[in-house]
Amino acid sequence: EPEVTQTPSHQVTQMGQEVILRCVPISNHLYFYWYRQILGQKVEFLVSFYNNEISEKSEIFDDQFSVERPDGSNFTLKIRSTKLEDSAMYFCAVGQDGYTFGSGTRLTVV
Amino acid sequence: GESVGLHLPTLSVQEGDNSIINCAYSNSASDYFIWYKQESGKGPQFIIDIRSNMDKRQGQRVTVLLNKTVKHLSLQIAATQPGDSAVYFCAETLTGGGNKLTFGTGTQLKVEL
Repeated sequence: EPEVTQTPSHQVTQMGQEVILRCVPISNHLYFYWYRQILGQKVEFLVSFYNNEISEKSEIFDDQFSVERPDGSNFTLKIRSTKLEDSAMYFCAVGQDGYTFGSGTRLTVV
Repeated sequence: GESVGLHLPTLSVQEGDNSIINCAYSNSASDYFIWYKQESGKGPQFIIDIRSNMDKRQGQRVTVLLNKTVKHLSLQIAATQPGDSAVYFCAETLTGGGNKLTFGTGTQLKVEL
């Protein structure tokens, strides 16, 4: 069983729509992250989350993005109004120094 | 600014040969480095790591070398197998908990039979 499960594995959405990507870490972790990877490019940091608040965010993580850990289990990334350029693989990760990544959600904005 | 880059975007090797994947980093403050393997459609998978107080670390069939003087990192894979075909990323960070990873651009390793 994977340590980090992401759902859905693939989501297609229309431009301007809101999407919520979900991550469920299996074991207890303190640090959570979201990264994205545009097709054929490197993995980019979006945001880190610790103690129920954002500890660091990148320039990519603008006001359209938000993260939550609503029930102590799920960790979500919300994009309020998707743009074409948001199309990418989104990876959730957990860990303090060594990371464990989920298998990702492929987001396609049309 | 911070950047991590790879010298070779694609590396083709014969099965059984050794592979060497290189990486340059620019943030001299980074003290923890990780190599990841990414297969198509999957997330990055941890291979091996090294801290800045070491210059070499060995795992099973893999070795990471760190040269802090020239800010260079390499991943050596011994007796490369078809299952090693993937994109390999180096990443740098600071230890201390919760620090972001800065990834390199990736090297595609192709293993030819």
